[in-house]
Amino acid sequence: AQTVTQSQPEMSVQEAETVTLSCTYDTSESDYYLFWYKQPPSRQMILVIRQEAYKQQNATENRFSVNFQKAAKSFSLKISDSQLGDAAMYFCAYNTNNAGNMLTFGGGTRLMVKP
Amino acid sequence: EAQVTQNPRYLITVTGKKLTVTCSQNMNHEYMSWYRQDPGLGLRQIYYSMNVEVTDKGDVPEGYKVSRKEKRNFPLILESPSPNQTSLYFCASSLLSGSSYEQYFGPGTRLTVT
Repeated sequence: AQTVTQSQPEMSVQEAETVTLSCTYDTSESDYYLFWYKQPPSRQMILVIRQEAYKQQNATENRFSVNFQKAAKSFSLKISDSQLGDAAMYFCAYNTNNAGNMLTFGGGTRLMVKP
Repeated sequence: EAQVTQNPRYLITVTGKKLTVTCSQNMNHEYMSWYRQDPGLGLRQIYYSMNVEVTDKGDVPEGYKVSRKEKRNFPLILESPSPNQTSLYFCASSLLSGSSYEQYFGPGTRLTVT
């Protein structure tokens, strides 16, 4: 069974600084997708960024980028120039065609942004 | 506006009293699913549906039922709720069932069973 682990229950960052959230996963599949979701206090799940496992190039979306290490099964999220609105729970998730499109989530990391 | 809606948003009920949480999407998506979110565990899939009249169990299906009579609706039914089903529930949908398709989440339903 696939598992996703986020080892940092809480992180904090100073506004305008950079922070990296960690995620590791375990799978025997070779073709899969990885995601980072943001959950602000409104509880809405918002897709931040995704990475296809077959792509070597790391995905980027504005201030958000990932460091995808396939051999190490690691998928960290870097947030640059942190803003107060980045404060939220962040979930790492995994998906493969062989799992009925089921997203497997990590336990989450709560990010606090200090002004 | 393209969206997934859930009702109710908040529900407090007592053990054993049947309840239904509705989910509807207006994007003509084939794939729909239900997740529950618990502290430290992230979201876990309860049931999913790849199309009308096609449903299957996710990781934590015990105590839940679903139906998919229409493409847009995917209600979650708790026939006899118990306190361990107190949780935050999310409905999600995607265009098709392949893993490359983004899943869109509803706003969540906070359920408390006393």
